[in-house]
This record gives sequence, structure tokens and C-alpha cells, in this order.
Amino acid sequence: NFMLTQPHSVSESPGKTVTISCTRSSGSIASNYVQWYQQRPGSSPTTVIYEDNQRPSGVPDRFSGSIDSSSNSASLTISGLKTEDEADYYCQSYDSSNHRVVFGGGTKLTVL
Amino acid sequence: EVQLVESGGGLVKPGGSLRLSCAASGFTFSSYSMNWVRQAPGKGLEWVSSISSSSSYIYYADSVKGRFTISRDNAKNSLYLQMNSLRAEDTAVYYCARDNKLNYWGQGTLVTVSS
Repeated sequence: NFMLTQPHSVSESPGKTVTISCTRSSGSIASNYVQWYQQRPGSSPTTVIYEDNQRPSGVPDRFSGSIDSSSNSASLTISGLKTEDEADYYCQSYDSSNHRVVFGGGTKLTVL
Repeated sequence: EVQLVESGGGLVKPGGSLRLSCAASGFTFSSYSMNWVRQAPGKGLEWVSSISSSSSYIYYADSVKGRFTISRDNAKNSLYLQMNSLRAEDTAVYYCARDNKLNYWGQGTLVTVSS
């Protein structure tokens, strides 16, 4: 079993760039794809990144994803921040050892 | 357009039961695994259960194992979650989501367990 750890909150100004990390506690981050979801207040989660670094159609290229084996973590980077990006962001992966979906605890992004 | 519509939530007393449904459209339902994910008020996302496309493989979170049962009817394009022995800590919005990448989510249905 592994856990995904995210910072509780991050904040940045409009137009700037922010990176949200997601660290896997055991096993390689590269073992299973990482997805990232955006959840605005009162709404369902939507995918902003899938398979580590792929963007669904309709998601702006300001959103990018990556993984880093040296830190065993995934990252979501949002550039050119807009106030509409203010939301909770969750990373997610899959635990092949017990066939379970694993979520990070979520990061609240404030754009101010 | 892919659509997932949950229903069946409501207020139930501790120890009670509830059956959630998720109606799928806009894709070949029988080709995809499905999941239930929940979110307690003010909390993060918690995976609840998964079922493979043909129902051959079913998995549960430890927190619901033995109390919840996931099932599907591919002829009706529907996913279900039978919830028994409900506890206050099961209070949450329950979402259905498609496949291991959870790339589509429903709008959720609220389950409140309270006396």
C-alpha cells in the first residue's frame, strides 16, 4: 500500500506560475500513471491531466504534468494563473498490489 | 457526450440501507470498468469500490468492505452501490466515475446518515 501526499494549500498571484507536488510514499511513482483533477466549489471533479502528462481536450495548455523519479513525485504546473483556476486539486494513481484507486489529500489553490 | 447521473441518495438512520444508482450514456458502458468515489463534507476524495467491465473483478476500500456491494447491469447501462449497515462516517457525496483513470464523473448524490 502507498499514500500520495500533497501540500494542503498553495497561493500565487494572477499571471504567475504555481506547481503542486504529489509524493508517493512507497514504490515507484513511475509504476502507475498519475492523474490530476480540478474541483471547484460545489462541482464534481474534472480531469486536467491524465497518464502523468496528457491533457484532455478542452484543458488549456497552461496546465502541465510531470513525474520525477528522483523525488518519487508527480507535479501539476499551472502557468499564467487566472482567478478561475482557484480550486482544489487532487492527484490520483492506482495501487496494482491491491487493485485500489489512491487519491492524494488535495491541495487548495488560491489565486490572489 | 459522456454522461453519468447518480441517484438514490437521501437521509437514512444509522444501521439503515440505501441503494445508489448511476445511469451512463454517451459511451459503450459494457467496455469500461466503473468506480464509486465519495467525498465527506469539507473533506477530500475517497475511493469506495471498483467493478470491471464484465463484473469479473470487484474491489472495495477497507472502510466499506462487508457492508457495501457494487454491481452493474450492462443491458441497462447502469452501475449500483448497495449500502448496508450505514454509519455516520458514511455521510458524503457519492460519485460514480469511469475507468481506472476516472476521466468522467457524475454530479454526485448526497447520502446523509443521521438519527
